Amino acid sequence: DGGITQSPKYLFRKEGQNVTLSCEQNLNHDAMYWYRQDPGQGLRLIYYSQIVNDFQKGDIAEGYSVSREKKESFPLTVTSAQKNPTAFYLCASSMGTSITDTQYFGPGTRLTVL
Amino acid sequence: AQRVTQPEKLLSVFKGAPVELKCNYSYSGSPELFWYVQYSRQRLQLLLRHISRESIKGFTADLNKGETSFHLKKPFAQEEDSAMYYCALRPLASGGYQKVTFGTGTKLQVIP
Repeated sequence: DGGITQSPKYLFRKEGQNVTLSCEQNLNHDAMYWYRQDPGQGLRLIYYSQIVNDFQKGDIAEGYSVSREKKESFPLTVTSAQKNPTAFYLCASSMGTSITDTQYFGPGTRLTVL
Repeated sequence: AQRVTQPEKLLSVFKGAPVELKCNYSYSGSPELFWYVQYSRQRLQLLLRHISRESIKGFTADLNKGETSFHLKKPFAQEEDSAMYYCALRPLASGGYQKVTFGTGTKLQVIP
């Protein structure tokens, strides 16, 4: 496995604190994504970015923020406004956003709010 | 709106038995369907997609537009098939990003 890395693997946060999850890829992919995975709910899209310096809200963007200043990096900040942040977060990337482009996933970060 | 339904949270089969993981979808246009798999302690990865018409690790899936289904099948289950399987849909439409919608997943447990 390589190509997409997420850090840290486990993250603990106190209520009221913002926390940033890292996602890096060396696949030269233009598009990057953040998903949230909860038991029994599958994957839900938080934010996506089709190209550097541009990003769009997904289905559940409230309480989250992102940036895409570099092609290889797409950090996700979980803010104190997110009501239920404890979850498993997956980052993904794809060459582009056409129908033939496959999304490749990172190993994930498990965030626990104490 | 698009929706993907996987009715089984857990499917247990004996080794050598046939496997069918169910996936139904709701979408008014033409969809592209996928199956993703997540083995224990590994990352989520694409198993197969309808547009490629391929068979991966003995698994196949046929798009049935009449029944709006994309069930994943394998004639003889192996222990290494035990994993979490997600069905996903993406609209076949031009112009802009088309969101991938995932189902809730089915855990396949192959009993030795």
